[in-house]
Amino acid sequence: DAKTTQPPSMDCAEGRAANLPCNHSTISGNEYVYWYRQIHSQGPQYIIHGLKNNETNEMASLIITEDRKSSTLILPHATLRDTAVYYCIRRSRGANNLFFGTGTRLTVIP
Amino acid sequence: DGGITQSPKYLFRKEGQNVTLSCEQNLNHDAMYWYRQDPGQGLRLIYYSQIVNDFQKGDIAEGYSVSREKKESFPLTVTSAQKNPTAFYLCASSLSPSYEQYFGPGTRLTVT
Repeated sequence: DAKTTQPPSMDCAEGRAANLPCNHSTISGNEYVYWYRQIHSQGPQYIIHGLKNNETNEMASLIITEDRKSSTLILPHATLRDTAVYYCIRRSRGANNLFFGTGTRLTVIP
Repeated sequence: DGGITQSPKYLFRKEGQNVTLSCEQNLNHDAMYWYRQDPGQGLRLIYYSQIVNDFQKGDIAEGYSVSREKKESFPLTVTSAQKNPTAFYLCASSLSPSYEQYFGPGTRLTVT
């Protein structure tokens, strides 16, 4: 049970920012929000994770609302290679399992 | 070049045969995992190992077996007892269970 809600699909124009939303309204205080993506027939790729504060790395930014009930993954300048299924996952620290739901299929359009 | 390797990328077997999938990592990670992915679905945890010589069952361990004799290696055997073995198998590792998991490229197993 993934316990996160994501739109099934989104399109984004190449070069524009892609904003992928995730709802996790029942998240508990010790659960982190993780984002992975999976390009067709490849292993999932870790993108970023956070607990309360906004996070940024070389791939993306993660914005978590103050009440922690939702978050947004931002790819600042989407390229065609960013076309993939993006998964938002809740995970307790030290938990072994990653519950991948159905994710959001992002298509970057030339 | 550090990473996780899985071999082979595609594997074909006849029903009733056991088959072993390879997973090797040179990231010096303590924890390793095996997941299964079926078409259009999320990942399901088969087995995991937090340290050498120790492993635990995940959500769908029936019909599978693993070993963890070396830190770098975590092979998965799909036995003939696994009723629906055809799937995409993914191996992952993490520095420890508290850290993010990194995945290998996967092995697509087809049993006929």
